[in-house]
Amino acid sequence: DTEVTQTPKHLVMGMTNKKSLKCEQHMGHRAMYWYKQKAKKPPELMFVYSYEKLSINESVPSRFSPECPNSSLLNLHLHALQPEDSALYLCASRPDVSYNSPLHFGNGTRLTVT
Amino acid sequence: AQTVTQSQPEMSVQEAETVTLSCTYDTSESNYYLFWYKQPPSRQMILVIRQEAYKQQNATENRFSVNFQKAAKSFSLKISDSQLGDTAMYFCAFMKHVIDLEYGNKLVFGAGTILRVKS
Repeated sequence: DTEVTQTPKHLVMGMTNKKSLKCEQHMGHRAMYWYKQKAKKPPELMFVYSYEKLSINESVPSRFSPECPNSSLLNLHLHALQPEDSALYLCASRPDVSYNSPLHFGNGTRLTVT
Repeated sequence: AQTVTQSQPEMSVQEAETVTLSCTYDTSESNYYLFWYKQPPSRQMILVIRQEAYKQQNATENRFSVNFQKAAKSFSLKISDSQLGDTAMYFCAFMKHVIDLEYGNKLVFGAGTILRVKS
């Protein structure tokens, strides 16, 4: 069982739709991450939130909009996506108490843009 | 910038045998952390093992162990007594040590190695 919960597991959306991905953790972690992963490729970092503040944006297009309403919740709002945005979107979290702590990943949301 | 290289796109091993996955990295940092993650078809990224660069002793976790060669910037993963459940994509990853915890530390992944365990 994963301690980082992502919903939905699968999402199909058209290019004109607006949708949101949700990530939740109750481990008290203060750093949360969004990664994008194409098939048989490594995850690519998109955003990092630390203490509910955006600390890293890896030059992600504005059609992806992250939000961290509180320390347990991370959202990724999607609007006007392109077919090439189809991928597995992974959320991860990390404690702030240990500088060598690894990332804990969720099961991901499989996104298909039609 | 840090880079992580996994030179074996795919590997196969018979059940109960031992296999070694290779990983090299390039960094000018002296203090950093290395990880191996596995991603089975269920797609969750699972931490297998981690190593602190300041520790000379190689990390071990049950059937999993690493050969960490800091001077050579090499970090290989050895899986002993391979099991069918070990079938997955394995990623080597690097994280530099950053004192400012607000920064959020990036994790840099290698391209991955697909490991298939055969019965």
